[in-house]
Amino acid sequence: AQKVTQAQTEISVVEKEDVTLDCVYETRDTTYYLFWYKQPPSGELVFLIRRNSFDEQNEISGRYSWNFQKSTSSFNFTITASQVVDSAVYFCALSEAGFLNAGGTSYGKLTFGQGTILTVHP
Amino acid sequence: AAGVIQSPRHLIKEKRETATLKCYPIPRHDTVYWYQQGPGQDPQFLISFYEKMQSDKGSIPDRFSAQQFSDYHSELNMSSLELGDSALYFCASSLASPGEKLFFGSGTQLSVL
Repeated sequence: AQKVTQAQTEISVVEKEDVTLDCVYETRDTTYYLFWYKQPPSGELVFLIRRNSFDEQNEISGRYSWNFQKSTSSFNFTITASQVVDSAVYFCALSEAGFLNAGGTSYGKLTFGQGTILTVHP
Repeated sequence: AAGVIQSPRHLIKEKRETATLKCYPIPRHDTVYWYQQGPGQDPQFLISFYEKMQSDKGSIPDRFSAQQFSDYHSELNMSSLELGDSALYFCASSLASPGEKLFFGSGTQLSVL
């Protein structure tokens, strides 16, 4: 069975600080996909990034960066120079390779971590 | 760009009542998913539909049922509501493809009193 663990339940920082959100996963599949979603106070789930198990390249998008390490089964998320608008709950999620056949599909069945509540103070 | 639309945004029901949640996926997306997020919890997969057929099931109670219609919109029906059903219910849609990202709606906040 797959499992996603986010070690930090809550993180509180002051604006302009860098912050890293940890994510560790477990899966038996050799092909899998990792995601980060953001849930701001308004409640919607916003997609941030997707990574497949064969692509260990780190990625940077503006102030956001992600570090994927298969050796430690981790997919950590760093926000550089945090801002108040970054305050939200952040979820790490995993989907396995899945299938698509005449009976349907298991694609899109995400297992989420418990979430990390990030509060950025002015 | 069109997003996933859910209605209603908020719903208040009494115990033992029935609730119906609606979801309109992004056009041309062939797969719809329902997730339940309890207070302070992570979203849990309930059920999915691929091309209007039930595709995969998660931890969905027998009191809940769902379907996808010919116009691709989906409805989640919940009967004999319990206090523990109070949660944020998300609908999401995507194309059926490995690792395809899900586009989530804004959710329906259900409160059972």
